[in-house]
Amino acid sequence: GAGVSQSPRYKVAKRGQDVALRCDPISGHVSLFWYQQALGQGPEFLTYFQNEAQLDKSGLPSDRFFAERPEGSVSTLKIQRTQQEDSAVYLCASSLIRGLLETQYFGPGTRLLVL
Amino acid sequence: DAKTTQPTSMDCAEGRAANLPCNHSTISGNEYVYWYRQIHSQGPQYIIHGLKNNETNEMASLIITEDRKSSTLILPHATLRDTAVYYCIVRVGGATDSWGKLQFGAGTQVVVTP
Repeated sequence: GAGVSQSPRYKVAKRGQDVALRCDPISGHVSLFWYQQALGQGPEFLTYFQNEAQLDKSGLPSDRFFAERPEGSVSTLKIQRTQQEDSAVYLCASSLIRGLLETQYFGPGTRLLVL
Repeated sequence: DAKTTQPTSMDCAEGRAANLPCNHSTISGNEYVYWYRQIHSQGPQYIIHGLKNNETNEMASLIITEDRKSSTLILPHATLRDTAVYYCIVRVGGATDSWGKLQFGAGTQVVVTP
């Protein structure tokens, strides 16, 4: 079946531009996570949704980062006034339920390059 | 959450078993050991997890020491497609709002050679 999809796969932005990254989770998955992965590093947690509720945004690095999931399915991560340090791969993951044995399924990521 | 320590890299011959160590000396009683891997240009992929007992699935085996301070992921017959970064993660198994997030370290870069 269809996995987690993300678009665009690659994005080049000029410094100061706003960008929007989209995540389509697996249908029916309740939980949705965003991670940021810098070159050569492991992914770092950004934010978590359970349905449309954003329950944890402790990992968002600044108020330029904003995420939403208005209907509890598709999610968008928006970065305003992009900076060079925002260059990274942005990964989205979803899981079926908020349960003990839930497994997170990751999308392929969006590679953002800020010039 | 407890932190993990893994070797930076390791090589493995195709067809042989790959044994990937992980230290988690400060693990708590309610924390599980999870393994994910990330093939180049892809998102991480779940492999296996365990609490106390050894676990096996179609991908790998997980051996956890009796004191739970370390574990080993075993890929029984490594193939070239197993070349990836392997992450050992400990995570809380309780029902808090943010228990689901994964804390990745740098992982182990495994290279399987012909």
